[in-house]
This record gives sequence, C-alpha cells and structure tokens, in this order.
Amino acid sequence: DGGITQSPKYLFRKEGQNVTLSCEQNLNHDAMYWYRQDPGQGLRLIYYSQIVNDFQKGDIAEGYSVSREKKESFPLTVTSAQKNPTAFYLCASRWTGANVLTFGAGSRLTVL
Amino acid sequence: AQTVTQSQPEMSVQEAETVTLSCTYDTSESDYYLFWYKQPPSRQMILVIRQEAYKQQNATENRFSVNFQKAAKSFSLKISDSQLGDAAMYFCAYRSDPQGGSEKLVFGKGTKLTVNP
Repeated sequence: DGGITQSPKYLFRKEGQNVTLSCEQNLNHDAMYWYRQDPGQGLRLIYYSQIVNDFQKGDIAEGYSVSREKKESFPLTVTSAQKNPTAFYLCASRWTGANVLTFGAGSRLTVL
Repeated sequence: AQTVTQSQPEMSVQEAETVTLSCTYDTSESDYYLFWYKQPPSRQMILVIRQEAYKQQNATENRFSVNFQKAAKSFSLKISDSQLGDAAMYFCAYRSDPQGGSEKLVFGKGTKLTVNP
C-alpha cells in the first residue's frame, strides 16, 4: 500500500543531543513537508521541499535541519539549538498538481 | 499573511445529531483552497473535505458538508447524523492558489469534537 512512514513513533532525547526523525513515502510525490504540532496549537510548518536537493524554511525553521537527497525521503534533524523540541512532528507529501496533503502517522519527541 | 481562526476550542454533539464547526480566515487573495482535516486519537491527519474558492457550490462528502461564504471569509463544516467515530480534533486549513501563492498550508488551532452516545 502507498503511504508515508514516519519513524520512530516515540523518541526520547536528552538535552543537548541532536535527533533525526525519518520520513519515507512511496507515493511518488514531489513535495514533502514537516509540521510541528503543540497542544492547543494548529500545525506549524518547519521545512518543505518541492524537488530533490532543494528545500525551503517554513515559519519555525530555527533549530531544525533537513535534507532531500532522494525523492522518497525527507529526514528532519532536531538540533540542540531548538529551545523547546518536545512536540508531535508530522511529515506530509503532495503530488505536484494536487492540493491535498497526505500525512504520516507522526513522531512524538520528548526531551528529558 | 493568511490566518485561519477556529473560535470553538471544543464542541459536543449527541450521536445521530448534527453539529457545525466554525472557521473564518483572512486573506487578500481571490483564488485559494480550503480544507477540513480530522485528527482522531491515533493522531493521523485525514482529509475530510475540500473547497476551491472559485466554486460557488458548497462541497459535500457523504455526511460532511461545508457552508462556504467567500465574501464573509467563512468556511464552516456540518456533520450530519454524527457517529462515535467522528470524535476527533478538526482542523480548518487554507492554501493559496499554486500558480502564484505560497506553498504553505495554514492551519487553525483546531476544534475538539466529542460525540456522546
């Protein structure tokens, strides 16, 4: 079945450590996105990529980094520079020409 | 910048009844897209319904329909014959026309819907 796979589902990190969240899609979608969700908040865009080897900052990119070396993959690194990294992270993708995003099941990051 | 406002943090409805969730947005654009997404306890975001701004006819998907008022910048979601499985967070979202607008999908803060048996 086609879809988006995010891993790990739950992740714990000590302060000062970098952590990478995986996002893989087999939908042949061109665009991929990372959103952050906090309690009582809507989703906020961290980074997005429309093509391989290219990506743009969203509204809250500080403390995060991404790469897009393959069309199927868009990993997100939460660096130690991110002041409040505990959150739920959602990856999404979209086929060029469509307006609808398909979401993964999310990753919950907790900083201890 | 576009903003999306959901004024009802929580709503409740009796099973089999009808409920309407509110959404307003602010934009200076004439072409755009609006969406309602559902996030059940599993936290998987699921598209419920979408509306193109250039279409006057309100979108309908089975028990879900919208009341799109472009001049008022209002986009409410009506759920008819509510079912227990409808219990979830509902997010309203806005996207600019892809020809010249932002790539970004702007979300409201969500409305938590409880369905009472």
